[in-house]
Amino acid sequence: NAGVTQTPKFRVLKTGQSMTLLCAQDMNHEYMYWYRQDPGMGLRLIHYSVGEGTTAKGEVPDGYNVSRLKKQNFLLGLESAAPSQTSVYFCASSYSYGQGLPGGLNTGELFFGEGSRLTVL
Amino acid sequence: AQKITQTQPGMFVQEKEAVTLDCTYDTSDPSYGLFWYKQPSSGEMIFLIYQGSYDQQNATEGRYSLNFQKARKSANLVISASQLGDSAMYFCAMREGPTSYDKVIFGPGTSLSVIP
Repeated sequence: NAGVTQTPKFRVLKTGQSMTLLCAQDMNHEYMYWYRQDPGMGLRLIHYSVGEGTTAKGEVPDGYNVSRLKKQNFLLGLESAAPSQTSVYFCASSYSYGQGLPGGLNTGELFFGEGSRLTVL
Repeated sequence: AQKITQTQPGMFVQEKEAVTLDCTYDTSDPSYGLFWYKQPSSGEMIFLIYQGSYDQQNATEGRYSLNFQKARKSANLVISASQLGDSAMYFCAMREGPTSYDKVIFGPGTSLSVIP
Protein backbone atom coordinates (compact mmCIF):
# COMPACT_ATOMS: atom_id res chain seq x y z
CA ASN A 1 0.00 0.00 0.00
CA ALA A 2 1.38 3.37 -1.04
CA GLY A 3 -0.92 5.32 1.34
CA VAL A 4 -0.79 9.03 0.52
CA THR A 5 1.60 10.13 -2.22
CA GLN A 6 2.51 13.72 -3.05
CA THR A 7 4.23 14.95 -6.18
CA PRO A 8 6.51 16.74 -6.63
CA LYS A 9 8.56 16.51 -3.43
CA PHE A 10 10.54 19.68 -4.17
CA ARG A 11 9.95 22.63 -6.47
CA VAL A 12 11.45 26.06 -6.97
CA LEU A 13 9.30 28.68 -8.66
CA LYS A 14 9.73 32.28 -9.68
CA THR A 15 7.21 34.85 -8.54
CA GLY A 16 4.20 34.80 -10.81
CA GLN A 17 4.64 31.26 -12.08
CA SER A 18 1.94 28.68 -11.66
CA MET A 19 2.12 25.08 -10.53
CA THR A 20 0.03 22.17 -9.32
CA LEU A 21 0.70 19.78 -6.46
CA LEU A 22 -0.84 16.36 -6.80
CA CYS A 23 -2.00 14.20 -3.92
CA ALA A 24 -3.06 10.60 -4.47
CA GLN A 25 -4.40 8.15 -1.90
CA ASP A 26 -5.21 4.48 -2.28
CA MET A 27 -7.16 3.92 0.95
CA ASN A 28 -10.61 4.77 -0.41
CA HIS A 29 -10.82 7.78 1.93
CA GLU A 30 -13.63 10.23 1.42
CA TYR A 31 -11.92 13.20 3.03
CA MET A 32 -8.77 14.85 1.74
CA TYR A 33 -6.87 17.91 2.97
CA TRP A 34 -4.11 20.31 2.02
CA TYR A 35 -2.08 21.96 4.80
CA ARG A 36 0.89 24.26 4.78
CA GLN A 37 3.53 24.19 7.48
CA ASP A 38 5.55 27.23 8.42
CA PRO A 39 7.97 27.58 11.36
CA GLY A 40 6.17 28.35 14.62
CA MET A 41 2.72 28.12 13.07
CA GLY A 42 2.00 24.44 12.99
CA LEU A 43 -0.10 23.09 10.15
CA ARG A 44 -2.69 25.42 8.70
CA LEU A 45 -5.57 24.09 6.65
CA ILE A 46 -5.71 25.51 3.12
CA HIS A 47 -8.56 23.62 1.46
CA TYR A 48 -10.24 20.31 1.99
CA SER A 49 -12.70 17.97 0.30
CA VAL A 50 -15.36 15.69 1.72
CA GLY A 51 -15.90 13.77 -1.48
CA GLU A 52 -15.41 13.61 -5.21
CA GLY A 53 -16.43 16.85 -6.85
CA THR A 54 -16.62 18.85 -3.60
CA THR A 55 -14.14 21.26 -2.06
CA ALA A 56 -14.21 23.77 0.79
CA LYS A 57 -12.02 26.55 2.15
CA GLY A 58 -9.90 26.08 5.21
CA GLU A 59 -8.07 28.61 7.37
CA VAL A 60 -5.74 30.09 4.74
CA PRO A 61 -7.29 29.57 1.27
CA ASP A 62 -6.23 32.79 -0.47
CA GLY A 63 -3.92 32.31 -3.44
CA TYR A 64 -4.75 28.63 -3.83
CA ASN A 65 -7.27 26.60 -5.76
CA VAL A 66 -8.13 22.92 -5.53
CA SER A 67 -9.96 20.25 -7.45
CA ARG A 68 -11.17 16.74 -6.64
CA LEU A 69 -12.26 15.25 -9.93
CA LYS A 70 -11.51 11.71 -8.79
CA LYS A 71 -11.97 10.32 -5.31
CA GLN A 72 -8.37 9.26 -5.02
CA ASN A 73 -6.80 12.54 -6.18
CA PHE A 74 -6.72 16.04 -4.69
CA LEU A 75 -4.92 18.77 -6.60
CA LEU A 76 -3.61 22.03 -5.13
CA GLY A 77 -2.92 24.84 -7.57
CA LEU A 78 -1.02 28.08 -7.29
CA GLU A 79 -2.06 30.34 -10.15
CA SER A 80 0.48 33.11 -9.52
CA ALA A 81 3.05 32.09 -6.94
CA ALA A 82 4.25 34.61 -4.35
CA PRO A 83 7.23 34.43 -1.96
CA SER A 84 4.73 34.21 0.94
CA GLN A 85 3.73 30.80 -0.42
CA THR A 86 7.16 29.38 0.27
CA SER A 87 6.35 26.55 2.62
CA VAL A 88 6.11 22.83 3.14
CA TYR A 89 2.81 21.47 1.91
CA PHE A 90 1.21 18.37 3.33
CA CYS A 91 -1.64 16.38 1.92
CA ALA A 92 -3.70 14.15 4.20
CA SER A 93 -6.74 11.91 3.94
CA SER A 94 -9.17 10.21 6.30
CA TYR A 95 -12.33 8.14 6.47
CA SER A 96 -15.62 9.99 6.71
CA TYR A 97 -17.61 10.43 9.89
CA GLY A 98 -19.11 7.28 11.26
CA GLN A 99 -17.52 5.05 8.66
CA GLY A 100 -17.25 1.66 10.21
CA LEU A 101 -14.13 -0.40 10.14
CA PRO A 102 -13.51 -3.93 11.30
CA GLY A 103 -13.43 -3.72 15.09
CA GLY A 104 -15.43 -0.51 15.37
CA LEU A 105 -15.75 3.05 14.21
CA ASN A 106 -12.77 4.86 12.85
CA THR A 107 -11.08 7.57 14.90
CA GLY A 108 -10.92 9.98 12.02
CA GLU A 109 -7.14 10.15 12.15
CA LEU A 110 -5.38 11.78 9.25
CA PHE A 111 -2.98 9.86 7.06
CA PHE A 112 -0.29 12.16 5.72
CA GLY A 113 1.87 12.31 2.66
CA GLU A 114 5.58 12.97 2.97
CA GLY A 115 5.29 16.67 2.23
CA SER A 116 6.28 18.90 -0.68
CA ARG A 117 8.79 21.69 -0.19
CA LEU A 118 8.00 24.70 -2.35
CA THR A 119 10.26 27.72 -2.67
CA VAL A 120 9.09 30.84 -4.47
CA LEU A 121 11.86 33.27 -5.43
CA ALA B 1 -9.72 32.60 16.92
CA GLN B 2 -7.14 29.91 17.54
CA LYS B 3 -8.83 26.75 18.65
CA ILE B 4 -5.76 24.77 19.65
CA THR B 5 -3.16 26.22 22.01
CA GLN B 6 0.20 24.69 22.78
CA THR B 7 1.96 27.06 25.16
CA GLN B 8 5.35 25.34 25.23
CA PRO B 9 7.34 26.18 22.09
CA GLY B 10 10.24 24.06 23.33
CA MET B 11 10.77 21.46 26.02
CA PHE B 12 13.75 19.52 27.32
CA VAL B 13 13.61 16.21 29.15
CA GLN B 14 16.24 13.87 30.49
CA GLU B 15 16.36 10.44 28.91
CA LYS B 16 14.22 7.90 30.80
CA GLU B 17 12.21 10.63 32.49
CA ALA B 18 8.53 11.36 31.84
CA VAL B 19 7.39 14.56 30.13
CA THR B 20 4.03 16.27 29.67
CA LEU B 21 3.23 18.34 26.61
CA ASP B 22 0.35 20.74 27.08
CA CYS B 23 -2.62 21.24 24.78
CA THR B 24 -5.77 23.25 25.37
CA TYR B 25 -8.62 23.54 22.91
CA ASP B 26 -11.72 25.56 22.36
CA THR B 27 -15.00 24.20 21.07
CA SER B 28 -18.69 24.48 21.80
CA ASP B 29 -19.46 21.19 20.10
CA PRO B 30 -20.08 18.35 22.60
CA SER B 31 -18.73 15.82 20.11
CA TYR B 32 -15.10 16.09 19.08
CA GLY B 33 -11.90 14.15 18.76
CA LEU B 34 -8.39 15.06 19.84
CA PHE B 35 -5.19 13.78 18.25
CA TRP B 36 -1.48 13.99 18.84
CA TYR B 37 1.02 13.71 16.02
CA LYS B 38 4.80 13.48 16.09
CA GLN B 39 7.02 15.03 13.44
CA PRO B 40 10.69 13.97 13.64
CA SER B 41 13.39 15.91 11.87
CA SER B 42 12.86 13.74 8.78
CA GLY B 43 9.54 15.53 8.33
CA GLU B 44 6.87 12.84 8.24
CA MET B 45 3.75 13.13 10.38
CA ILE B 46 3.21 10.17 12.70
CA PHE B 47 -0.12 9.58 14.44
CA LEU B 48 0.36 8.85 18.15
CA ILE B 49 -2.92 8.80 20.03
CA TYR B 50 -6.61 9.67 19.87
CA GLN B 51 -9.16 10.72 22.49
CA GLY B 52 -12.87 11.05 21.80
CA SER B 53 -14.88 13.56 23.78
CA TYR B 54 -17.23 10.86 25.02
CA ASP B 55 -14.51 8.41 25.98
CA GLN B 56 -14.71 7.68 29.68
CA GLN B 57 -11.09 6.71 30.10
CA ASN B 58 -7.89 8.45 29.12
CA ALA B 59 -6.35 7.03 25.98
CA THR B 60 -3.09 5.11 26.17
CA GLU B 61 -0.80 3.77 23.45
CA GLY B 62 2.37 2.18 24.74
CA ARG B 63 4.50 4.91 26.33
CA TYR B 64 2.01 7.59 25.29
CA SER B 65 -1.01 8.57 27.33
CA LEU B 66 -3.42 11.42 27.02
CA ASN B 67 -4.41 13.29 30.16
CA PHE B 68 -7.90 14.38 29.15
CA GLN B 69 -9.56 16.97 31.37
CA LYS B 70 -12.80 17.79 29.63
CA ALA B 71 -14.01 20.55 31.94
CA ARG B 72 -10.70 22.38 31.57
CA LYS B 73 -10.59 21.65 27.82
CA SER B 74 -7.12 20.23 28.03
CA ALA B 75 -5.62 17.17 26.38
CA ASN B 76 -2.03 16.88 27.51
CA LEU B 77 0.27 14.23 26.07
CA VAL B 78 2.36 12.30 28.56
CA ILE B 79 5.41 10.43 27.33
CA SER B 80 6.82 8.02 29.86
CA ALA B 81 10.44 6.84 29.94
CA SER B 82 11.66 9.26 27.26
CA GLN B 83 13.99 7.98 24.61
CA LEU B 84 16.40 9.84 22.34
CA GLY B 85 14.13 8.99 19.43
CA ASP B 86 11.33 10.99 21.04
CA SER B 87 13.12 14.21 20.08
CA ALA B 88 10.69 15.77 17.59
CA MET B 89 7.92 18.30 17.08
CA TYR B 90 4.61 17.32 18.63
CA PHE B 91 1.29 18.64 17.38
CA CYS B 92 -2.10 18.56 19.04
CA ALA B 93 -5.11 18.55 16.71
CA MET B 94 -8.88 18.56 16.97
CA ARG B 95 -11.71 17.37 14.82
CA GLU B 96 -15.10 18.78 15.77
CA GLY B 97 -18.15 16.82 14.89
CA PRO B 98 -20.40 15.72 13.56
CA THR B 99 -21.42 18.99 11.91
CA SER B 100 -17.82 20.15 11.49
CA TYR B 101 -16.32 16.71 11.35
CA ASP B 102 -14.64 17.41 8.09
CA LYS B 103 -12.17 19.99 9.46
CA VAL B 104 -9.09 19.07 11.44
CA ILE B 105 -7.24 21.98 13.05
CA PHE B 106 -3.72 21.82 14.44
CA GLY B 107 -1.93 23.69 17.18
CA PRO B 108 1.46 25.43 16.66
CA GLY B 109 3.41 22.51 18.09
CA THR B 110 5.97 21.86 20.81
CA SER B 111 9.57 20.97 20.09
CA LEU B 112 10.80 18.25 22.44
CA SER B 113 14.48 17.55 22.95
CA VAL B 114 15.55 14.48 24.89
CA ILE B 115 18.91 14.89 26.62
CA PRO B 116 21.15 11.83 27.11
